[in-house]
Amino acid sequence: AQSVTQPDIHITVSEGASLELRCNYSYGATPYLFWYVQSPGQGLQLLLKYFSGDTLVQGIKGFEAEFKRSQSSFNLRKPSVHWSDAAEYFCAVGAFNQAGTALIFGKGTTLSVSS
Amino acid sequence: AAGVIQSPRHLIKEKRETATLKCYPIPRHDTVYWYQQGPGQDPQFLISFYEKMQSDKGSIPDRFSAQQFSDYHSELNMSSLELGDSALYFCASSPPTSPYEQYFGPGTRLTVT
Repeated sequence: AQSVTQPDIHITVSEGASLELRCNYSYGATPYLFWYVQSPGQGLQLLLKYFSGDTLVQGIKGFEAEFKRSQSSFNLRKPSVHWSDAAEYFCAVGAFNQAGTALIFGKGTTLSVSS
Repeated sequence: AAGVIQSPRHLIKEKRETATLKCYPIPRHDTVYWYQQGPGQDPQFLISFYEKMQSDKGSIPDRFSAQQFSDYHSELNMSSLELGDSALYFCASSPPTSPYEQYFGPGTRLTVT
C-alpha cells in the first residue's frame, strides 16, 4: 500500500536560513509526488510536483524538491526562508492508474520562522 | 486565474441534522475529489468523480453521498451528522490535460454541535 512519512512534525528555522523538509514514500512503481502548503484555516496550495524526468523540480515561491528513487525520498528545500513561509507542509503521493485516483498525504510538517 | 469554489465556507449543524456541501471545479476540469481534514490531521480522501461517474472511493461513511452534475459541479450530502464529522472538507479538481494534478478549494468548515 502507498504511504507517506514526514519524519519532522515541527521545524523552526530562522528567517533567511535554508530549509529542508523531509518526505519518504512507499510505493511499488514510480510514484507521482507532490508538495502542498496550507496556511492556518486555508486550503491546500500546490507547491510543486514530480511525475518523471529531471529529478530536481522547481516550484512556486522559490521552493524546489529532489526525487531520489534509491532513498524513496522527495525532500523539499528552500535556500532562504521568509517569515511568510510559516505554514503546514504536506507531502503527497498518487498512484494514477486511472482518472480520479486519490492522493495519500503525509501527516504534515509545521514550519515556524523565527526572526 | 479561476480557482475551485466551495460553498458554504462555514457551516454549523446540530447532531442528526443533514448538510450539503457544494463544489464548483475550475472551468474545463472534469475530475472532482472530496477530502476530509480533521483538526490537526492530514486530508483523508472520501470520493472522486470523473466525467460525472464515481471513479474512486475512500473512507466515506455510508451516511455520506456525493454526485457530480452535468455542469461538473459536485455536492457532498451528509446525513445523521455526528460530532466526529466536524472537520474541514476540501474539494479538488483536475484537468483532462493533466489528470494527476489536483487543485484544492478553500474548504468548508463544518461544525457539528
